[in-house]
Amino acid sequence: GAGVSQSPSNKVTEKGKDVELRCDPISGHTALYWYRQSLGQGLEFLIYFQGNSAPDKSGLPSDRFSAERTGGSVSTLTIQRTQQEDSAVYLCASSEPGLHQYFGPGTRLTVL
Amino acid sequence: TQLLEQSPQFLSIQEGENLTVYCNSSSVFSSLQWYRQEPGEGPVLLVTVVTGGEVKKLKRLTFQFGDARKDSSLHITAAQPGDTGLYLCAGENSGYALNFGKGTSLLVTP
Repeated sequence: GAGVSQSPSNKVTEKGKDVELRCDPISGHTALYWYRQSLGQGLEFLIYFQGNSAPDKSGLPSDRFSAERTGGSVSTLTIQRTQQEDSAVYLCASSEPGLHQYFGPGTRLTVL
Repeated sequence: TQLLEQSPQFLSIQEGENLTVYCNSSSVFSSLQWYRQEPGEGPVLLVTVVTGGEVKKLKRLTFQFGDARKDSSLHITAAQPGDTGLYLCAGENSGYALNFGKGTSLLVTP
């Protein structure tokens, strides 16, 4: 079946602009995660959605970052007023509760 | 945040050689996972180890979880060019969020 998909695959933006990154999880997976992978760094947890529960936003680095998950499926990660340090690969993963996470290919964000 | 230290950071070897990658932490984890990531793709799960002292084998790859569940190792026997990639370890405690190491970048040349 189809895996996790993310769009766009690449995004180049200017400092100060807002960006939206999209994640389509595997059908039927109720858990959805966002991670950030910066050059030379490991994957950094950003946010976790599970069903209709309140999301765990503890990993969001600043209030410029927000995420939504509509209808328990598609998720959008929004970064407002982008900064150069936001440049990274943003990875989305989905899973059934308690089972292993399947990762999408990521969105490479470059802030000029 | 529970830190996972991976070593070495980079490894370049020739086809047929053996290698070991280490993943260490001062924290105890409920489980530890190993992933491989290729350029332009997301990480792909190789194995999950749960029990202290556990050893799992996946063809030429051998994974071990330390007795105290704080560290793990990945040993590859007779490496092949297809093993090239970024190897990541990730510890889990909360039931969902994973704590990742920075990874070991492996290059196997023919």
